[in-house]
Amino acid sequence: AQSVSQHNHHVILSEAASLELGCNYSYGGTVNLFWYVQYPGQHLQLLLKYFSGDPLVKGIKGFEAEFIKSKFSFNLRKPSVQWSDTAEYFCAVSVMDSSYKLIFGSGTRLLVRP
Amino acid sequence: EADIYQTPRYLVIGTGKKITLECSQTMGHDKMYWYQQDPGMELHLIHYSYGVNSTEKGDLSSESTVSRIRTEHFPLTLESARPSHTSQYLCASRPNGRDYGYTFGSGTRLTVV
Repeated sequence: AQSVSQHNHHVILSEAASLELGCNYSYGGTVNLFWYVQYPGQHLQLLLKYFSGDPLVKGIKGFEAEFIKSKFSFNLRKPSVQWSDTAEYFCAVSVMDSSYKLIFGSGTRLLVRP
Repeated sequence: EADIYQTPRYLVIGTGKKITLECSQTMGHDKMYWYQQDPGMELHLIHYSYGVNSTEKGDLSSESTVSRIRTEHFPLTLESARPSHTSQYLCASRPNGRDYGYTFGSGTRLTVV
């Protein structure tokens, strides 16, 4: 069965620190990849997505992610975090069958200290 | 602004009650999904639909049922709520085709007492 692993469950950083959140998936076929963010009390929002082409994708709010097919990874990065980045981050993989259902990782809770 | 609406946003209800969580989207999307999210946990797919009159069970077993009589509407029903149903329920939709993202609703936080 397909699965998504996020290795960091809780991350605490100071403002201006760099961020990298790991995401690995297990699915041998073609995938679409996503990072979602959930700010406290708000709904899931799309940060960025990868469908094909350049494996380095840029999203909103200065986030980027790199798809490394050989490592089945799609890590999220940001060079300098802000207090407003405090949120929960979910990596997700879309199964490429007719359902296109999303498989989510367990999430990473990021706390950025001012 | 999301074009997918879930009501109610919060619901506290007694054990044994029947409840329906509403989900509507205005984008004409064929694919719709219900996810369940416990605090601090990942989202699990409980139901999805390919389109009108299509419903499928997701990866996580659920005692809830869904219907899809209209494209825009995908309600979720619990015939007899139990405390184990306490969770957040998220509705999502996407168009047909390969390379599309998903739009999520704000969720319904259900508490069964």
